[in-house]
Amino acid sequence: EAGVVQSPRYKIIEKKQPVAFWCNPISGHNTLYWYLQNLGQGPELLIRYENEEAVDDSQLPKDRFSAERLKGVDSTLKIQPAELGDSAVYLCASSARGGTGTDTQYFGPGTRLTVL
Amino acid sequence: AQSVAQPEDQVNVAEGNPLTVKCTYSVSGNPYLFWYVQYPNRGLQFLLKYITGDNLVKGSYGFEAEFNKSQTSFHLKKPSALVSDSALYFCAVRVISGGYNKLIFGAGTRLAVHP
Repeated sequence: EAGVVQSPRYKIIEKKQPVAFWCNPISGHNTLYWYLQNLGQGPELLIRYENEEAVDDSQLPKDRFSAERLKGVDSTLKIQPAELGDSAVYLCASSARGGTGTDTQYFGPGTRLTVL
Repeated sequence: AQSVAQPEDQVNVAEGNPLTVKCTYSVSGNPYLFWYVQYPNRGLQFLLKYITGDNLVKGSYGFEAEFNKSQTSFHLKKPSALVSDSALYFCAVRVISGGYNKLIFGAGTRLAVHP
């Protein structure tokens, strides 16, 4: 069974440029998560989807970040415009269900973003 | 405030010796606890979780963790460390925030196993 797929693995851009990350969750998983991981820290949740609905986006900086999960499968996270402080690893995870908090989340390899 | 703490930035252990990576938590309600491992340039890999039942949880790669409610701890253990266990380990706890379940992660503990 394929795991969570993310692309690109690495991205280098100049500040003020837009950037997008793509995630394909494990087949059949209804819940998809985007996390931000700064160097030397644990992941922090940005947004969670139940199927195509964003059910928790309280930590997503909505002035520059946006996300979508059309058709409830793949998801895209976008930053426009990027700032120096956005340099980090962006992780995608999925689980069968998210409602109770008991399901295991499975993580993709992440996209390492460097903003120059 | 709901939180999870990993008090050690790094743990050093000799190959073949037992290892312990510490985790303590503070949550309201029933604690759901998880351990993940992260190798360089990789995502997080699930090791084990405690939801309910037996306080000793067995997971992948010979790891186990003991849930201790009175000490609010969930320490990760392995009887005999391998050099290949060297990695970054994260403890996570389910919290309820804004009406939603979410995982919050500790800052991570780097495990170094020396030959």
